[in-house]
Amino acid sequence: DAGITQSPRYKITETGRQVTLMCHQTWSHSYMFWYRQDLGHGLRLIYYSAAADITDKGEVPDGYVVSRSKTENFPLTLESATRSQTSVYFCASSESTGSAFFGQGTRLTVV
Amino acid sequence: QQQVKQSPQSLIVQKGGISIINCAYENTAFDYFPWYQQFPGKGPALLIAIRPDVSEKKEGRFTISFNKSAKQFSLHIMDSQPGDSATYFCAASKGQGAQKLVFGQGTRLTINP
Repeated sequence: DAGITQSPRYKITETGRQVTLMCHQTWSHSYMFWYRQDLGHGLRLIYYSAAADITDKGEVPDGYVVSRSKTENFPLTLESATRSQTSVYFCASSESTGSAFFGQGTRLTVV
Repeated sequence: QQQVKQSPQSLIVQKGGISIINCAYENTAFDYFPWYQQFPGKGPALLIAIRPDVSEKKEGRFTISFNKSAKQFSLHIMDSQPGDSATYFCAASKGQGAQKLVFGQGTRLTINP
């Protein structure tokens, strides 16, 4: 399927556990992004990547790790989940001068 | 640090009316201003975008008005329909593209039939 796919769609995890959210795009876009969406804050950038093996911090990177070994994949890892990381996470991709296209989101609950 | 401020937080408009959502930005280096529409349970979808070399862009019933000197831009939805009921986000970035978008807080729009 063409587009951008996130998995899982829903995840419940316990405080202190490591969890990885997956993102896959089929457009070969150079840029990929992770945002979190919380009421009252809109969407906030966690990390982004301009190309394979190039990543950089966004506005709220603490507690998250990313990697990009292949252009099409951009996983986000919460190394030790906290309740404050309960949120809806969106992956997006774009070309350098194009628009960003978002996935369907992953709703993560940390209990 | 809120670089893009969006208002109102919620808006109720009668069917056929005009919906207006406003955004103000601080960073004069921003050069790309998109609007996204989001339905419940879905990801944001690009609605329309503008660059600062024009003051207005229209696509169907959706229009962006841009005021560079005031550092403000707004979304107008003409002939609003119940299917337009969604959350709308303005955003801004620099580099003429969608790198590192900074989003407003969102506006929940309800169109009453």
